Amino acid sequence: QSALTQPASVSGSPGQSITISCTGTSSDVGGYDYVSWYQQRPGKTPRLIIYAVTNRPSGVSDRFSGSKSGDTASLTISGLQAEDEADYYCSSYRSTASLNVFGAGTKVTVL
Amino acid sequence: EVQLVESGGGLVQPGGSLRLSCEASRFAFSSYWMSWVRQAPGKGLEWVAGIKKDGSEKFYGDSVKGRFTISRDNAKNALYLQMNSLRADDTAVYYCARDVGDIVATMFDYWGQGTLVTVSS
Repeated sequence: QSALTQPASVSGSPGQSITISCTGTSSDVGGYDYVSWYQQRPGKTPRLIIYAVTNRPSGVSDRFSGSKSGDTASLTISGLQAEDEADYYCSSYRSTASLNVFGAGTKVTVL
Repeated sequence: EVQLVESGGGLVQPGGSLRLSCEASRFAFSSYWMSWVRQAPGKGLEWVAGIKKDGSEKFYGDSVKGRFTISRDNAKNALYLQMNSLRADDTAVYYCARDVGDIVATMFDYWGQGTLVTVSS
């Protein structure tokens, strides 16, 4: 099964905004509002930061926001902070084959 | 706070079997879908299997279909993953995750610490 397509790495300076894209197909990202994003710091377990495309769980900073256009979802981190250094994974429900698909992950580096 | 504690990982030979367990606490276990998600060393996340609240429906990723079986015991607040015909590419940390969407495999809000499965001769 093909994973969702994410850039391997994105970097930015403290205070800047960065955006991570997540491209799928009409069978997953484009067809359902079931896109979620996970943050995984080194040696830690994944943490849900965005669900249903745009929603933030309680306790997640409002510096994280999600959106979707067509087959591409995006995660924006504004006011970048050192603590945001982590791997970020998108995920979507999928109507074909396996019911869920993750992206390969994007490593965010704060310069 | 929600707790998910996995156990049962270890070293197994190719073709062997292993049963993982996940003990859930501090939430109404029987009210949630549950899933297993794995992560190979240095790699990304892969959804493995999911099970409905009452265990009546089970779903699997393509790479494990026919080899793995997910189950649950709501009386014991426990989730299981029976893994048969294990292959080297099944080597991964296996996470138990609470699945909070209205259907399976849509969003995972709590994760256990994971248990490492290594398939090697």
